[in-house]
Amino acid sequence: DVKVTQSSRYLVKRTGEKVFLECVQDMDHENMFWYRQDPGLGLRLIYFSYDVKMKEKGDIPEGYSVSREKKERFSLILESASTNQTSMYLCASSTVSYGYTFGSGTRLTVV
Amino acid sequence: QKEVEQNSGPLSVPEGAIASLNCTYSDRGSQSFFWYRQYSGKSPELIMFIYSNGDKEDGRFTAQLNKASQYVSLLIRDSQPSDSATYLCAVFMDSNYQLIWGAGTKLIIKP
Repeated sequence: DVKVTQSSRYLVKRTGEKVFLECVQDMDHENMFWYRQDPGLGLRLIYFSYDVKMKEKGDIPEGYSVSREKKERFSLILESASTNQTSMYLCASSTVSYGYTFGSGTRLTVV
Repeated sequence: QKEVEQNSGPLSVPEGAIASLNCTYSDRGSQSFFWYRQYSGKSPELIMFIYSNGDKEDGRFTAQLNKASQYVSLLIRDSQPSDSATYLCAVFMDSNYQLIWGAGTKLIIKP
């Protein structure tokens, strides 16, 4: 089975901190995605990547950046955390023509 | 204009009955369709995918696709309380290799 592992299940950070969310997949998938999910707003795409060192902005990239130095790892960076970035963050990976596999999610609270 | 539409619910179904979840999409060229189940506080998990017109069955689950009418549905037979979750419909966009997500339908199975 494909495994997508997110480094933290719960995270509490202070406003202004730089936050790193790590995601690792073990099935050699080309594509990786970062979403946030908030009640009533559904899944919103932050960034995605189709290859190493490649990144594309999703629908809500402001306040975030990403890094993909290795194929299996896709990191989401909150440059200066703010309270409106409190959310559930979901990482997913996929091959070209199949559905996504999600990690277990990171519930981030910014105080 | 939302590209994938779902009724947000909640949809309440008695235990043992058939639950019917519907999804419409706007891109007539879409070829691949996915249903995900998401329990509260958990990440989405893939339960069904369908590529061809007609029905696809997997245990108690049946996915139905009608490309002419641009809708896809999920039937759950013999509904169980453990089926209570939010069901997300997703449509694969060949143009950018991404899934476009519906907002999800909350399903409640009443014992």
